[in-house]
Amino acid sequence: KAGVTQTPRYLIKTRGQQVTLSCSPISGHRSVSWYQQTPGQGLQFLFEYFSETQRNKGNFPGRFSGRQFSNSRSEMNVSTLELGDSALYLCASSQGGKETQYFGPGTRLLVL
Amino acid sequence: DQQVKQNSPSLSVQEGRISILNCDYTNSMFDYFLWYKKYPAEGPTFLISISSIKDKNEDGRFTVFLNKSAKHLSLHIVPSQPGDSAVYFCAASVGTGNQFYFGTGTSLTVIP
Repeated sequence: KAGVTQTPRYLIKTRGQQVTLSCSPISGHRSVSWYQQTPGQGLQFLFEYFSETQRNKGNFPGRFSGRQFSNSRSEMNVSTLELGDSALYLCASSQGGKETQYFGPGTRLLVL
Repeated sequence: DQQVKQNSPSLSVQEGRISILNCDYTNSMFDYFLWYKKYPAEGPTFLISISSIKDKNEDGRFTVFLNKSAKHLSLHIVPSQPGDSAVYFCAASVGTGNQFYFGTGTSLTVIP
């Protein structure tokens, strides 16, 4: 089975712009979660989508949003980018229950 | 507020010896725990999991111990190998879905 894929792998944006990141889960997985990783902060949970519905949400501002399509692919959008949004954004997929999540390679976002 | 803590940022161990990575948590409602290994420029790779109804789970060279009364989780790697050198994250979740709280990671170096 193919693993979790994320596109693009690297991205450079400027402050005030918006960005959309994409995640394709493992075939058959219906849950997709997004995490932000910054130095010293570890992985911070953004949100989880399951069957096209947001099931859990972390403590991030409304500039961070997401959605999930009927084929379980998910997108994450960040509007009005700030310098502090520079991070590695990881998505993870699972079948849907309380179980192991499998991570993609991440998208490295740099905001200038 | 960091609900999952890994207080040792780094650990060095001789090849063939035991590596013990520790993790503490504050939320007694956490009911599922995971350990991940991460290499630079890659997403985290799942290692081993444990449910709160157990106190030990083994998978080959990896064993996870859970002490619920102490709110403490540990990962034992025996014997340690140079290829185990990576950053190790513990993660915990509660409730429905896959919202995981991650520690900040411990960088393990196995010296040949």
